[in-house]
Amino acid sequence: EVQLVESGGDLAQPGRSLRLSCSASGFNFDDYAMHWVRQPPGKGLEWVAGISWNSGSIGYADSVKGRFTISRDNAKNSLYLQMNSLRGEDTALYYCAKDGRLKLAATYFDQWGQGALVTVSS
Amino acid sequence: IVLTQSPGTLSLSPGERATLSCRASQSVSSSYVVWYQHKPGQAPRLLIYGASSRATGVPDRFSGSGSGTAFTLTINRLEPEDSAVYYCQQYGGSPCSFGQGTKLEIK
Repeated sequence: EVQLVESGGDLAQPGRSLRLSCSASGFNFDDYAMHWVRQPPGKGLEWVAGISWNSGSIGYADSVKGRFTISRDNAKNSLYLQMNSLRGEDTALYYCAKDGRLKLAATYFDQWGQGALVTVSS
Repeated sequence: IVLTQSPGTLSLSPGERATLSCRASQSVSSSYVVWYQHKPGQAPRLLIYGASSRATGVPDRFSGSGSGTAFTLTINRLEPEDSAVYYCQQYGGSPCSFGQGTKLEIK
């Protein structure tokens, strides 16, 4: 059974940093691209960042480019999101999501975690 | 690519058919359109990929269709557990984008 478990969500002041982690199990982690998708309170879904299976290709939404960094450690079956210079509009539930296609990233998501809540407020 | 879903809310009775629309601001290959079901407090669930292929374990009451700029998710024989928000998503254009969602209520 595929499991994606996020951690690291917290309350942070504007301008501060947080690091999210996602622990994966139940599939060959190093065969798939991975992504972060967020959902602000009462709003819809927004893709945040994605990373290829070998970290060779990385992409970000314009809204987080230059502030967020996605990374992965295949030896630890883990995905990370370093979030710097946080803003109020970054307040959201952050989901870790598995790409739906083997090796070559497709940027659709066939497995999701339960999410980690990030609240940015003074 | 902007995806616009309609209606915003749909209220139907068990046994009825739901038709959810997703319109794209520009043409998207049908291979790159997917649909998700999202229930409160749960992880989103992939329903349909490639516009019309059901994901593993998805009942055949769920079907997807469409091409170009118009895509549809149809749910036949509605059941109470179908209450959820449904999102379409495209990944033919970069960055990928989601519709704003259709909330389906089962009376």
